Amino acid sequence: DSGVTQTPKHLITATGQRVTLRCSPRSGDLSVYWYQQSLDQGLQFLIQYYNGEERAKGNILERFSAQQFPDLHSELNLSSLELGDSALYFCASSHPIQGQDEKLFFGSGTQLSVL
Amino acid sequence: ELKVEQNPLFLSMQEGKNYTIYCNYSTTSDRLYWYRQDPGKSLESLFVLLSNGAVKQEGRLMASLDTKARLSTLHITAAVHDLSATYFCAVGDNDMRFGAGTRLTVKP
Repeated sequence: DSGVTQTPKHLITATGQRVTLRCSPRSGDLSVYWYQQSLDQGLQFLIQYYNGEERAKGNILERFSAQQFPDLHSELNLSSLELGDSALYFCASSHPIQGQDEKLFFGSGTQLSVL
Repeated sequence: ELKVEQNPLFLSMQEGKNYTIYCNYSTTSDRLYWYRQDPGKSLESLFVLLSNGAVKQEGRLMASLDTKARLSTLHITAAVHDLSATYFCAVGDNDMRFGAGTRLTVKP
């Protein structure tokens, strides 16, 4: 168990709908990352937050948004869903300390199926 | 944009054999990560390589980093079935980018 909690584990919805994925980082971790994993695209970095502030942005669509709350949990909002958004969405956390490694601890993921 | 390339993408090995997975990346970076993913599971950190020439070993796996060549290797020694998984290398800081993964199958 990595200590990163993601809910829900599975989500089935229809095209055009909106969903929210939730992530609770490891205790004490300030950074939260979101990744999308699919067979054709592999692991794609979406966005990173550090202590409530957006730190880096990757291949995140405009239909997607995220935020990190004061208690450090994060939510990824996906709207106007398309079939191609079906994927496994991972959240990861880390606690960067100057001079030390910043390996990511991954949650178990949310499997999103858009029908 | 940072690109991370792994090869091979698929690797089928006999138990007891040795093999190397390669990870090339396109921009300067002093840190490289290796992760393992079992089917249907999440990713687990294996190694963090923080400087040129860094070498780390855990059991039958050994990872090394050559920042000048922008190359990391993951060497598998005397493979066993339990090593069957997908192995990813990743490079970057805030926007860590992953390679496509190497799906390793170890056969008896």
